[in-house]
Amino acid sequence: KQEVTQIPAALSVPEGENLVLNCSFTDSAIYNLQWFRQDPGKGLTSLLLIQSSQREQTSGRLNASLDKSSGRSTLYIAASQPGDSATYLCAVSGGTSYGKLTFGQGTILTVHP
Amino acid sequence: NAGVMQNPRHLVRRRGQEARLRCSPMKGHSHVYWYRQLPEEGLKFMVYLQKENIIDESGMPKERFSAEFPKEGPSILRIQQVVRGDSAAYFCASSGGLNSPLHFGNGTRLTVT
Repeated sequence: KQEVTQIPAALSVPEGENLVLNCSFTDSAIYNLQWFRQDPGKGLTSLLLIQSSQREQTSGRLNASLDKSSGRSTLYIAASQPGDSATYLCAVSGGTSYGKLTFGQGTILTVHP
Repeated sequence: NAGVMQNPRHLVRRRGQEARLRCSPMKGHSHVYWYRQLPEEGLKFMVYLQKENIIDESGMPKERFSAEFPKEGPSILRIQQVVRGDSAAYFCASSGGLNSPLHFGNGTRLTVT
């Protein structure tokens, strides 16, 4: 059974810092890994999707890496801003269908001015 | 280009009543997924549907829960005889293909009194 763990559970940083969020998963037989952000009371916004054959994806100030063999992914956020404050969720796709995602518990990020 | 639309945003039901949650996928998307987020827990997969077909319902409780995605109209998640433990946020997601990113709606927050 796939299990996804995110570390740290919460993170508070001053504006401008570069930061790394970590995600690990137990079963390396995945189709892809996706990073989302969730704002309070809202749905999930897809940030980056990394296919199992890829090593990393970049979008603006975000960079996500994937090491499938070791079951790890990191989300790097450069020059953090207060607007980045949200819960960041890591999810892996595997098993019987691509859209059947197993989510981690999330990292609650607070960026203070 | 509307995203995934869910309604209602908030739903209050008394124990024993029925709850109907609706989801209209993004235009052009034929794959629909339902997830549940219980208080203090992560998101859990419930069911995966394509038009008129249930593809994977391995995450659905065995009783009282059902889902459909008819040829015309939105996908419906139906919960019969609701109990307090059904109180949660229910999210719908859609994708345009088997290995494409999932796009989530803003969720329906069900409260059972």
